[in-house]
Amino acid sequence: SQQGEEDPQALSIQEGENATMNCSYKTSINNLQWYRQNSGRGLVHLILIRSNEREKHSGRLRVTLDTSKKSSSLLITASRAADTASYFCASAQGGSEKLVFGKGTKLTVNP
Amino acid sequence: DAGVIQSPRHEVTEMGQEVTLRCKPISGHNSLFWYRQTMMRGLELLIYFNNNVPIDDSGMPEDRFSAKMPNASFSTLKIQPSEPRDSAVYFCASSPRTRQETQYFGPGTRLLVL
Repeated sequence: SQQGEEDPQALSIQEGENATMNCSYKTSINNLQWYRQNSGRGLVHLILIRSNEREKHSGRLRVTLDTSKKSSSLLITASRAADTASYFCASAQGGSEKLVFGKGTKLTVNP
Repeated sequence: DAGVIQSPRHEVTEMGQEVTLRCKPISGHNSLFWYRQTMMRGLELLIYFNNNVPIDDSGMPEDRFSAKMPNASFSTLKIQPSEPRDSAVYFCASSPRTRQETQYFGPGTRLLVL
């Protein structure tokens, strides 16, 4: 599978529920980032977690990182219709400048 | 700050024509990235620059694609000749530092090659 694979590919929930998206990666990383993309727009950075961190919060977002399992999760609490978007994880590997993006999770929050 | 600026926002052209996409990164950012996004292949990194110098162009599909960054405030991605399979959304992103930090994306150019 591709570096930075998100799971599930699509998620539909009701407003007020929590949404959890997962990301797996293959090689060692320096940091892992989550981005959001609204339909027809560019990606917007949400949060960055470094390889020596296990959990990070930003508003209604909570990101965890488990380097032993090479996985990360993004939790959006108390979701809103405005959270409807695609969410991508991006891993920064080794000494490269590059970020490797997964194919994203498409989240739909129904009002 | 105006953010990353891309032009044009939409481009429709015929196969064989030259296409030039433009990007103005955020002032003071050292790194610039060009991506292509399609439903089939997702978001692919085409090339990136650091301090105006191309560092890695391994993602450029073929010789029909070329990118330049003549100065810190401007970059172009050129496709010559264009083909229908080049239809995609092309994003430019910039980053304030050289090492894998947050990238700031432009709104993208939606290219359709007929």
